Amino acid sequence: EDQVTQSPEALRLQEGESSSLNCSYTVSGLRGLFWYRQDPGKGPEFLFTLYSAGEEKEKERLKATLTKKESFLHITAPKPEDSATYLCAARLNNDYKLSFGAGTTVTVRA
Amino acid sequence: EPEVTQTPSHQVTQMGQEVILRCVPISNHLYFYWYRQILGQKVEFLVSFYNNEISEKSEIFDDQFSVERPDGSNFTLKIRSTKLEDSAMYFCASMMDRSSNQPQHFGDGTRLSIL
Repeated sequence: EDQVTQSPEALRLQEGESSSLNCSYTVSGLRGLFWYRQDPGKGPEFLFTLYSAGEEKEKERLKATLTKKESFLHITAPKPEDSATYLCAARLNNDYKLSFGAGTTVTVRA
Repeated sequence: EPEVTQTPSHQVTQMGQEVILRCVPISNHLYFYWYRQILGQKVEFLVSFYNNEISEKSEIFDDQFSVERPDGSNFTLKIRSTKLEDSAMYFCASMMDRSSNQPQHFGDGTRLSIL
């Protein structure tokens, strides 16, 4: 069965303390791996698309990478405004729906 | 920046009543979706819609659910006879085309509470 699993469930960081979030996927025919940010009471906000192994994308303090089995979201020197739930989602070969992981809730303390 | 808008932000309905959730997708997008997120759980796919017809639906999307694009801008999700377990956040999303790198853009959701 196709699955998207994120770890850890929650991450508490001190401001400036870099860390990484993991998204592992067991899907056949990956057609794109997407990272979203979700703030409380809001919809997922698009961050990155990764399509092929070895690809990297960056935006401010965030950097996403992709291998054949997993993706990482690296947060460098986080600030309190980076506190959110980060979701990864896989798009499969013949589908255009997204299969989401459960998310990692990141809290950054000043 | 263009965005997906959803109304209402919160809907409270008695069990057994019909409810319609409304969405205005981004104007040049062609693919439309509904997802739901039960409190504390994953975002789950419900249905995708293209060219005025359903292209895919999940097991959740049973006969009680329907979708419609009544005009050139709105996209609606109707639940015919609501159940307690329909309580969730419902998200609408739209996508420009089916290129591999195209993301789906989400609205801020409608919180549906069934009493």
